[in-house]
Amino acid sequence: AQSVTQPDIHITVSEGASLELRCNYSYGATPYLFWYVQSPGQGLQLLLKYFSGDTLVQGIKGFEAEFKRSQSSFNLRKPSVHWSDAAEYFCAVGAMEYGNKLVFGAGTILRVKS
Amino acid sequence: DTGVSQNPRHKITKRGQNVTFRCDPISEHNRLYWYRQTLGQGPEFLTYFQNEAQLEKSRLLSDRFSAERPKGSFSTLEIQRTEQGDSAMYLCASSRPGGPNEQFFGPGTRLTVL
Repeated sequence: AQSVTQPDIHITVSEGASLELRCNYSYGATPYLFWYVQSPGQGLQLLLKYFSGDTLVQGIKGFEAEFKRSQSSFNLRKPSVHWSDAAEYFCAVGAMEYGNKLVFGAGTILRVKS
Repeated sequence: DTGVSQNPRHKITKRGQNVTFRCDPISEHNRLYWYRQTLGQGPEFLTYFQNEAQLEKSRLLSDRFSAERPKGSFSTLEIQRTEQGDSAMYLCASSRPGGPNEQFFGPGTRLTVL
């Protein structure tokens, strides 16, 4: 069965500090990996995606993520967090073999301390 | 891109009533997906269309749920005889043909069943 695990439900970081959000997946096909961000009461905005090639991908708002096949991980990073980054972050996995439907993790809520 | 739109944004109904939600995808996108998100969880896949054909339905989609996409443009999701457990955010997403492709999400419809 396909599954995505985000081990941290909540993370609090100080403004200006670095951030890493963890994501591990279990998938029976070649995965495509995504990170989405959701502000309260809003839909999902795509931060970045990995389909193939370079395992370090850059996204919007200064975010990056690294795909590590051996660890089945796709962790999201940002070198310096801004107060406006406070939101909920979702890791998702899809595959053409499964109609490209996405399987999401439960999300990580990021709080930023000023 | 004008983005994915969903209507209504909020719906409050009494248990046992029927409700219908509408999703308008990005115009050149031929794939359309419905997801459901409950509090504290990531979105869960419900169903998806390629053009007007409904290609997959999740086991989450009970007999009370029906989705259509006439003419391969907008889609509707109807819930008959609503139950309190149907209270959730219903998200629609669309993507370009072929694959892999990222999904673009609408703002969602928040359903509250009293």
